Amino acid sequence: QVTLRESGPALVKPTQTLTLTCTFSGFSLSTSGMCVSWIRQPPGKALEWLARIDWDDDKFYSTSLKTRLSISKDTSKNQVVLTMTNMDPVDTATYYCARPIAGDYTGFDYWGQGALVTVSS
Amino acid sequence: DIQMTQSPSTLSASVGDRVTITCRASQSISYWLAWYQQNPGKAPTLLIYKASTLGSGVPSRFSGSGSGTEFTLTISSLQPDDFATYYCQQYNSYSYTFGQGTKLEIK
Repeated sequence: QVTLRESGPALVKPTQTLTLTCTFSGFSLSTSGMCVSWIRQPPGKALEWLARIDWDDDKFYSTSLKTRLSISKDTSKNQVVLTMTNMDPVDTATYYCARPIAGDYTGFDYWGQGALVTVSS
Repeated sequence: DIQMTQSPSTLSASVGDRVTITCRASQSISYWLAWYQQNPGKAPTLLIYKASTLGSGVPSRFSGSGSGTEFTLTISSLQPDDFATYYCQQYNSYSYTFGQGTKLEIK
């Protein structure tokens, strides 16, 4: 059974760095073809893909946010960590981690429940 | 970056209706398109991937079609649980983009 769970601070101040952790089970990020992405959704708005890390440690980022994002993994702990620097109130959103269909990168079939992060002083 | 445009933004329909939502890509994405349903306060659930492949456990009243730049999601006979927001999402060159969403409302 595949599960993912996001954890991190609910409130961050402007200019601070956000660190979110995705802890997953039911699959291994050392398995060929596996990857995990981060996706966010501001309140009442659309989904936005942020970053992806692959089983072989390849990393991919949103073009518009790549200078602020960093993604890493700890295979032994079954965790993926996302950091986002220089947080701003417009970054207030629910942040999800998600896994695409095994062997197919098209769609995400497993999602965490989401972590709401509010950016405010 | 590839832009995804959904239409309509809001759709009013009744139980039993057949509805279609359209998604257009700013450039060809072959069939690398997925559709999701999202209810308020919940994570999205995958309905369709590779443009027309039904996700696991998804009812057969949902179907997807299209390739290149134009895609559609069709619900053949609306059920009460189907009133939600729907998103398309493309995958191309190690990047993903979502549409702005279509809210399906009860008429």
